[in-house]
Amino acid sequence: GQQVMQIPQYQHVQEGEDFTTYCNSSTTLSNIQWYKQRPGGHPVFLIQLVKSGEVKKQKRLTFQFGEAKKNSSLHITATQTTDVGTYFCAGLSSGTYKYIFGTGTRLKVLA
Amino acid sequence: DAGVIQSPRHEVTEMGQEVTLRCKPISGHDYLFWYRQTMMRGLELLIYFNNNVPIDDSGMPEDRFSAKMPNASFSTLKIQPSEPRDSAVYFCASSPAGWGPPGNTIYFGEGSWLTVV
Repeated sequence: GQQVMQIPQYQHVQEGEDFTTYCNSSTTLSNIQWYKQRPGGHPVFLIQLVKSGEVKKQKRLTFQFGEAKKNSSLHITATQTTDVGTYFCAGLSSGTYKYIFGTGTRLKVLA
Repeated sequence: DAGVIQSPRHEVTEMGQEVTLRCKPISGHDYLFWYRQTMMRGLELLIYFNNNVPIDDSGMPEDRFSAKMPNASFSTLKIQPSEPRDSAVYFCASSPAGWGPPGNTIYFGEGSWLTVV
């Protein structure tokens, strides 16, 4: 079945450092979404990417969708303590409404 | 507008007991999802409904788990009998119809934290 893997599993950074998480799917995706889950909270939608090679920015966050639509990345510039949480990608296979969530990357920001 | 509402928020039960988790999706959303989250297995899709009809239940772990959606505003996930390995956070989520944004953004409830002892 479809698998969506994320690396790294954990990342500790000093406040102000950059952070990147990578998402890789075993199958081609029609689109990909990113979610953030704060400790003890629930996943909250951040963004959706649809087009091959698409790049979107939200303030300090930059999201990319690979040319082959099988991978994606989230980059945070100059992390802040408010960025703490787990970041999930969720991939949608063509012809289905079944989003498969990635394994998640847990980010800890040290002040 | 109210988000996805789940109850109970926390439940501690003894092994062998029946557990029922409840969910009220966002009004007007055609899709409802049940997810389970654990440290070991991450966020797993258990089942999803479209217009109250179960579409894919391939993620339901075994016959002890069942889910129903009797109407557009209510769904239940039942575990009978419960086992300690069922301890997890169970999220209900809903999504509007359609394929393009914002049609398929998934809105999660706050989760039901289940502990089976």
